[in-house]
Parts: sequence; C-alpha cells; structure tokens
Amino acid sequence: AQSVTQLGSHVSVSEGALVLLRCNYSSSVPPYLFWYVQYPNQGLQLLLKYTTGATLVKGINGFEAEFKKSETSFHLTKPSAHMSDAAEYFCAVSAPSGSARQLTFGSGTQLTVLP
Amino acid sequence: SQTIHQWPATLVQPVGSPLSLECTVEGTSNPNLYWYRQAAGRGLQLLFYSVGIGQISSEVPQNLSASRPQDRQFILSSKKLLLSDSGFYLCAWNPRGSGNTIYFGEGSWLTVV
Repeated sequence: AQSVTQLGSHVSVSEGALVLLRCNYSSSVPPYLFWYVQYPNQGLQLLLKYTTGATLVKGINGFEAEFKKSETSFHLTKPSAHMSDAAEYFCAVSAPSGSARQLTFGSGTQLTVLP
Repeated sequence: SQTIHQWPATLVQPVGSPLSLECTVEGTSNPNLYWYRQAAGRGLQLLFYSVGIGQISSEVPQNLSASRPQDRQFILSSKKLLLSDSGFYLCAWNPRGSGNTIYFGEGSWLTVV
C-alpha cells in the first residue's frame, strides 16, 4: 500500500520568490510519483510525473520535482513564483505494478502568491 | 487529440431528487474511466472505476451508482440525493500504457439543498 503526506496545507510566497511544496511518500516498492495542479472550480491538471530514469523531472509552467529515494520525497519547486501559480497542488503515488485506480493522492497544498 | 468532457458543470438539486452526471472521452478507445469526489477539505476520493463497457467497480459504499453504456461514456447516477452527496465530482481517464497517469475532466459542482 502507498501513502502520501503533503507538509503544509497552505503555503504563501511573494511573487518572484522560490516555490517549494513538500511531498513525502510511503511505498513498499519503487513508486510512480505525480504532481497535479487545480485552479479554482476546475479539474486537476498534470504538472509532471516520475516513473523511471532521471530523478529530476521537469514539468509545465516552469515547475520541477526531484525524486529522492533516500528521503522518500518528491518536492515540487519553481525558482520564481508568478501570480498565476496560485492554486491547489496535489502529490500522488502509485505502485508500478498496480493500476491507476490505486493512485493515492495527498490532501493538497493551497499556494498563495503575494504581490 | 485526446480529450475528456463532463457535464453539467454545476447542478443544484433538492434532497431526494435523482442525479445524472455524464462524461465522455474522445480520441481514444477502451480507456479506463474513473469517477472521483472532492468534498471540501477532504481531498480526492475514488468512487468508481471501469475497465470496459458494463464493467463497474465501486470503491466505497454509497448512495451513488455508475454505468458505462458505451466505450467512451461514463455516467454517475443517484436515484435519491442526500445532503452529503454535495461536492465536486471529477471524471478521469487513464490511457493504457501511460504508467498509471490519470487525466481529469473539468469537474461538476453538485449542491444538494
């Protein structure tokens, strides 16, 4: 079984500052890891995913995440926040041998970008 | 290209009334399909998934049901809505061979009054 913990349900950053959203996972096997973004009243949009290979994954909108097995982490970062980044972000984990129905989501982190 | 659509976008229904939310996927065949619910402050909950026409699996006991009458159509229904059914409902699909990647529709807001 897998689980995901997103540290901080609310994160505030100033425009132009570094964005760091934390995600730690628990999995008995090497996991697949995902970050999704949800803007108000919209569905979730895939930002990036890690399955195998390079541990630093680049996604859309300038976001990237690094899979660190030793720390069981998959933190999401962006060097410079933009007002349009204000949204809720979800980390998710699944086992490679499982199906997508076994995708486990974190409880989400609401990102606020201050002018 | 592959797209997913669900409707209606918003719905206000009285307690005890029926519900029908519809979802269709375009540009693919034989997708895995999912219904999720997102209640305020409670994250995402998988309600139903389907691997083919007429094949529905329920993840949690509830007042809702799902059907898949066609390959790319997934319907969420209820005969009698409860107040607790209020929430944001998301249809999603998973391309085969995508490494468990799920893609979501636009969502449907249901308010039961």
